Amino acid sequence: AAGVIQSPRHLIKEKRETATLKCYPIPRHDTVYWYQQGPGQDPQFLISFYEKMQSDKGSIPDRFSAQQFSDYHSELNMSSLELGDSALYFCASSLGTGIYEQYFGPGTRLTVT
Amino acid sequence: GQQLNQSPQSMFIQEGEDVSMNCTSSSIFNTWLWYKQDPGEGPVLLIALYKAGELTSNGRLTAQFGITRKDSFLNISASIPSDVGIYFCAGQQNEKLTFGTGTRLTIIP
Repeated sequence: AAGVIQSPRHLIKEKRETATLKCYPIPRHDTVYWYQQGPGQDPQFLISFYEKMQSDKGSIPDRFSAQQFSDYHSELNMSSLELGDSALYFCASSLGTGIYEQYFGPGTRLTVT
Repeated sequence: GQQLNQSPQSMFIQEGEDVSMNCTSSSIFNTWLWYKQDPGEGPVLLIALYKAGELTSNGRLTAQFGITRKDSFLNISASIPSDVGIYFCAGQQNEKLTFGTGTRLTIIP
């Protein structure tokens, strides 16, 4: 079965640079979620979109922005990168919003040097 | 923010043993989910629970949604080597999942 696709899988950036992470949800899933997982930590919710509209927001820095497009894929844009932004970034998708199972992608490992 | 307390933090067991882990919260959740994560990979959904008191099985896995909606447990019977990994509980409110602190399962040869 098709899963969530994330690209790139690995990304190395320098401080103050920008990065764009992409997420392609499972076919027919209309809701996407972004999570950040630091080393040895549990995933932390950043933001979610349903039908191209932001549906919930967590601890996402102002330097980050995200959007969902008409084909339901989503992009997370990160600017003025800091060393502390180094983490695994996961996208998850679900069919519908609210009480629905979230399926995670393989993640993008971002390293800021 | 909300915290889910998951215990134990780590477990060292022998192949064939049963495993039990649980999650407690100070907040009520609408849904409880259990995920397994291998190093450098995304969490994989194991079981989803939707109703207080619900007991659900998936093969050798059994999970329950606590009556108070503030806790959940996961049992794994007859553990096998591929069960090694980190198990996370997650409570869902609105859109977001709040994850537990994780239980690292290691199988001793």
